[in-house]
Amino acid sequence: EPEVTQTPSHQVTQMGQEVILRCVPISNHLYFYWYRQILGQKVEFLVSFYNNEISEKSEIFDDQFSVERPDGSNFTLKIRSTKLEDSAMYFCASSEALGGQETQYFGPGTRLLVL
Amino acid sequence: RKEVEQDPGPFNVPEGATVAFNCTYSNSASQSFFWYRQDCRKEPKLLMSVYSSGNEDGRFTAQLNRASQYISLLIRDSKLSDSATYLCVVNGDDYKLSFGAGTTVTVRA
Repeated sequence: EPEVTQTPSHQVTQMGQEVILRCVPISNHLYFYWYRQILGQKVEFLVSFYNNEISEKSEIFDDQFSVERPDGSNFTLKIRSTKLEDSAMYFCASSEALGGQETQYFGPGTRLLVL
Repeated sequence: RKEVEQDPGPFNVPEGATVAFNCTYSNSASQSFFWYRQDCRKEPKLLMSVYSSGNEDGRFTAQLNRASQYISLLIRDSKLSDSATYLCVVNGDDYKLSFGAGTTVTVRA
């Protein structure tokens, strides 16, 4: 069964450093998403991406965040200057189409710890 | 008001019991509804979509009440492997998923 993959599984970084989280969505999917989950809290939407541009973003997704599809398979989330409060699990998801009952499939996540 | 609210539980039930819980959502324009399951420190995994007429998948039954804006999940004949956090998820008219904080279910032997 096809699945979303994410690397690395864990990342530890110093405050102020840049991090890039990588995702490989399911191959025939066209819509990509990033979510985050701070420990003990709910999953929160960050951004959706289609046709090489952002479709929707949340208030969390400020200028410190960016997304990119650098090639035909990878989808990345960059945090330019990490803050302590960026420590969270970051999930990538993808879906075949948009809307209705389209299922979003989640990757296993990257656990980011900012020290 | 939170977009999606759930009873956090925990619901501690013996094997074989039936357990049911609800969630409410605030956006009346919401288009689609799901139950996801999340095991500790793992990714959310789709359990089932929720349709207006209600639907069943094996031991799991989901109901949607649009008038009252709530969704329910019922688990029959619960198994140890059903122990997890169940996330109520709503897809609004902007197609981004809004998650509830989850309901924790623990099934004991």
